[in-house]
Amino acid sequence: GAVVSQHPSWVICKSGTSVKIECRSLDFQATTMFWYRQFPKQSLMLMATSNEGSKATYEQGVEKDKFLINHASLTLSTLTVTSAHPEDSSFYICSARDTQRLAETQYFGPGTRLLVL
Amino acid sequence: DQQVKQNSPSLSVQEGRISILNCDYTNSMFDYFLWYKKYPAEGPTFLISISSIKDKNEDGRFTVFLNKSAKHLSLHIVPSQPGDSAVYFCAARGGGYNFNKFYFGSGTKLNVKP
Repeated sequence: GAVVSQHPSWVICKSGTSVKIECRSLDFQATTMFWYRQFPKQSLMLMATSNEGSKATYEQGVEKDKFLINHASLTLSTLTVTSAHPEDSSFYICSARDTQRLAETQYFGPGTRLLVL
Repeated sequence: DQQVKQNSPSLSVQEGRISILNCDYTNSMFDYFLWYKKYPAEGPTFLISISSIKDKNEDGRFTVFLNKSAKHLSLHIVPSQPGDSAVYFCAARGGGYNFNKFYFGSGTKLNVKP
């Protein structure tokens, strides 16, 4: 159990275009999902906390108009990188907490590698 | 300012021996600690966790130790196997209002040699 999927697994796009990444909890409900970004050989940096039915909470320094988050259901959160630029190229990972479980852990998706040309 | 630090970027161990991965943190409000294992181009996989009220948690070959006074935790893998080769991240959960927020270290790449 506790499987989180992401789609697409990788994407290459031109500068100026928008890219949408989906994060789904496959066998559990998640009122809260998280979006991370990882640069090579660095830690996972939390970008925002996605709350089902309400606005996302963004970390300091993360542009909310640049990284649009929608959490429309208990199993789906989307991250849209708007007007992508080469500096947005990175590995984006989502995670989710299982609302029904007492465990405190977050379950991670496999990640999406974004390359902006 | 990184609140969770893994000062060893890499570690090489012989198969069958013990692997010890270390992690230090600065925030005494952290109330829960986790270790994740990550393969290249994949998301982290949960390995083991420990509450701040404990000092040890064991799960098979994996044991996590927590020293609150030193703000230090470690992951012991005994015996190490080649399949354990991966990047290991420690994470700490912020307490209080930050209960949803995880702070990650920069990872330690473990190589277990056959």
